[in-house]
Amino acid sequence: ETGVTQSPTHLIKTRGQQVTLRCSSQSGHNTVSWYQQALGQGPQFIFQYYREEENGRGNFPPRFSGLQFPNYSSELNVNALELDDSALYLCASRLGVAGELFFGEGSRLTVL
Amino acid sequence: DAKTTQPNSMESNEEEPVHLPCNHSTISGTDYIHWYRQLPSQGPEYVIHGLTSNVNNRMASLAIAEDRKSSTLILHRATLRDAAVYYCIRVNYGGSQGNLIFGKGTKLSVKP
Repeated sequence: ETGVTQSPTHLIKTRGQQVTLRCSSQSGHNTVSWYQQALGQGPQFIFQYYREEENGRGNFPPRFSGLQFPNYSSELNVNALELDDSALYLCASRLGVAGELFFGEGSRLTVL
Repeated sequence: DAKTTQPNSMESNEEEPVHLPCNHSTISGTDYIHWYRQLPSQGPEYVIHGLTSNVNNRMASLAIAEDRKSSTLILHRATLRDAAVYYCIRVNYGGSQGNLIFGKGTKLSVKP
């Protein structure tokens, strides 16, 4: 139990649709990052927010966007869904910009 | 580019020690070595990290080579619950803001 909760746990969308995934960080954690994990692969870094500002981004197109709220919860939005977006999306939080990351159990997205 | 090299898979017997190797020959002086593991159907879980000296915690030990080009995660007595994918990750808290760049990791199987 890491204290990081994600919703929904599973969802199915069709190509072209938009999706919003949510993450509640561990209490007091002001840094949140999002990762995409395709089947059989390691997680890939999407972006990171620190105190509501994006402070790092991986190699993902602009249709992947995010928000971090004043209570440090976070959203990942993906527009114009493609079949290759089918994956497990992981949220992770930490206090500050260094140290151990605490991961949630992920949201499994299937795009048909 | 994960910048670390690990064997794809390893096997161990229950209650025996396990040594998981990792090569990071291009490591910079400010890169930390982090280990995470991912149990089936769960998000990654922090195991241990270090910079230059060997490190111990309740889960494992981390042995870092003197030239820092390789490291070994040591599980002192493997249990069935240790069956997971283990990721060795270089983390730089400067320009990359502490983001984790995962490779494919080592899948550890533990036999009773």
